Amino acid sequence: GAVVSQHPSRVICKSGTSVKIECRSLDFQATTMFWYRQFPKQSLMLMATSNEGSKATYEQGVEKDKFLINHASLTLSTLTVTSAHPEDSSFYICSASGRAYYYNEQFFGPGTRLTVL
Amino acid sequence: AQKVTQAQTEISVVEKEDVTLDCVYETRDTTYYLFWYKQPPSGELVFLIRRNSFDEQNEISGRYSWNFQKSTSSFNFTITASQVVDSAVYFCALKIRTGNQFYFGTGTSLTVIP
Repeated sequence: GAVVSQHPSRVICKSGTSVKIECRSLDFQATTMFWYRQFPKQSLMLMATSNEGSKATYEQGVEKDKFLINHASLTLSTLTVTSAHPEDSSFYICSASGRAYYYNEQFFGPGTRLTVL
Repeated sequence: AQKVTQAQTEISVVEKEDVTLDCVYETRDTTYYLFWYKQPPSGELVFLIRRNSFDEQNEISGRYSWNFQKSTSSFNFTITASQVVDSAVYFCALKIRTGNQFYFGTGTSLTVIP
């Protein structure tokens, strides 16, 4: 159990376009979802936390208007990178946690590699 | 404030050698949880272990073992008889009781040479 999927796994886009990444909890209700960004050979950097049905909470330094997060249901959260630029190229990872798990453990998706040309 | 330090950035060992990855954490909370994750080249984080602050018992799972010492705020990870498939980046993480945020260390890149 506790499987989280991400789609797409890899995306290449042109500068100036918007890209949407989906994160789904397949077998549990994710009350909270997290979005991380990881640059090559670096650690995971938390971008934002979203609770189902409410606005996401962004970490300091993360542009809300550039990285739009929607957590419309208990199984789906989306991250939209608007007007993407080459510096947005990165590995984006989502994770999810639900009430059923005592430790509030986060279950991680497989990640999405974004390349902006 | 919470912090996780993985001082070893990169480690290389020859196959079948034992290797220990260090993790030191900081928190003032008395209830917290520690995790280890493996990130192979594919990028997907693989959960290895979770340990809560009240359970200092060391754990062994096959070739993997973990040494949790509250006195030194350390949660070290040992791979015995390393294999090439163990090559990956390993992250140590901390979560306190309140809130959902994970605090990740900077990771240790392990290369096992055949």
